[in-house]
Amino acid sequence: GESVGLHLPTLSVQEGDNSIINCAYSNSASDYFIWYKQESGKGPQFIIDIRSNMDKRQGQRVTVLLNKTVKHLSLQIAATQPGDSAVYFCAENIGTSYGKLTFGQGTILTVHP
Amino acid sequence: GAGVSQSPRYKVTKRGQDVTLRCDPISSHATLYWYQQALGQGPEFLTYFNYEAQPDKSGLPSDRFSAERPEGSISTLTIQRTEQRDSAMYRCASSPRAGVGNEQFFGPGTRLTVL
Repeated sequence: GESVGLHLPTLSVQEGDNSIINCAYSNSASDYFIWYKQESGKGPQFIIDIRSNMDKRQGQRVTVLLNKTVKHLSLQIAATQPGDSAVYFCAENIGTSYGKLTFGQGTILTVHP
Repeated sequence: GAGVSQSPRYKVTKRGQDVTLRCDPISSHATLYWYQQALGQGPEFLTYFNYEAQPDKSGLPSDRFSAERPEGSISTLTIQRTEQRDSAMYRCASSPRAGVGNEQFFGPGTRLTVL
């Protein structure tokens, strides 16, 4: 079936670098996207979201970009810190009215001091 | 409460036994979701509740799985006649209300191991 997927399973960066985590989706009915951060032993934690009528949204040190033409979503983390080390998931709502989420596989981000 | 809590945090059971997992959502949150998460994978939707109603249980893998939220707050997920393939992390999330754009707050999960 159609699902959200990730290009890179792991990403290793140096502290202070900018990180970019990518996600591809295949369902054109997807209208809402979210990035979650999951630290070891914890549940997923909301980072930032974006609706399909937008192409960019910025938060604190994070930016999400949505390219609907190629069905691509990315999360940019500025000045990456060791505390950013975690698994990052993109998730989408595929046209439901109640916010049912379909998650991708996840990217492991490791930040070296 | 301060956040979503789940109990037990770990459960080891023998194949064929029944297990019940509990979720305490953030108080006043109307919506509650159950997910199953395999190691290294993202959570997979099982079912959700809006108050005590259960409008979508399409993600439940089989009729051995059932969930309840009788008073619209605490929820339980029951797996009957457990099988080894049921071993996974089971996560609960709650949201202030149903609808796209309402943040889901996840609990720490229950790690189920079926021997």
